[in-house]
Amino acid sequence: EAQVTQNPRYLITVTGKKLTVTCSQNMNHEYMSWYRQDPGLGLRQIYYSMNVEVTDKGDVPEGYKVSRKEKRNFPLILESPSPNQTSLYFCASSLGTVSYEQYFGPGTRLTVT
Amino acid sequence: QKEVEQNSGPLSVPEGAIASLNCTYSDRGSQSFFWYRQYSGKSPELIMFIYSNGDKEDGRFTAQLNKASQYVSLLIRDSQPSDSATYLCAVRISGTYKYIFGTGTRLKVLA
Repeated sequence: EAQVTQNPRYLITVTGKKLTVTCSQNMNHEYMSWYRQDPGLGLRQIYYSMNVEVTDKGDVPEGYKVSRKEKRNFPLILESPSPNQTSLYFCASSLGTVSYEQYFGPGTRLTVT
Repeated sequence: QKEVEQNSGPLSVPEGAIASLNCTYSDRGSQSFFWYRQYSGKSPELIMFIYSNGDKEDGRFTAQLNKASQYVSLLIRDSQPSDSATYLCAVRISGTYKYIFGTGTRLKVLA
């Protein structure tokens, strides 16, 4: 089944404790992206990647890191999480050239206390 | 700052009626437009995409794009209670791989 997977689905952590949220897709998509969704603010793009080793900032990259070492994986790294990063996070992927429709993972609900 | 605007709703329509959802965008050069449906607590699900001016139909859904007026709309015919959700409009910013989402319109279909 073609899909985007994320892990973990739920995470409660404390301020300053480094964490990684994994994202993987099995559709051979070139493009992958991370979003956060907050009430009243909608979906906002954090980082995106057009291909392996090629990444760029979205609208809200502060406090996040990403890497794209393999085509199928695009982990989101929070080096020192803070409470304002409490949010619902989505990973998405698309073919990236000619076809720009994004398909979303199930989401990761992160709480930073 | 590029923007995508949607009325937050809720938009209430009776079962069987046509629901009309609208979205305006600020980036005049945008070429790619998307509609997603999102149920509470779930991930966005792609409903329609449209890249050219005019109408695009898929089952009960029709996307309409007017680049001159910078708006894109989604029509849902024969609305069902299961269509009750938040509908997100998204735009790919011209010349980039960035996407901007509207904050969504909540649709309620009344049985």
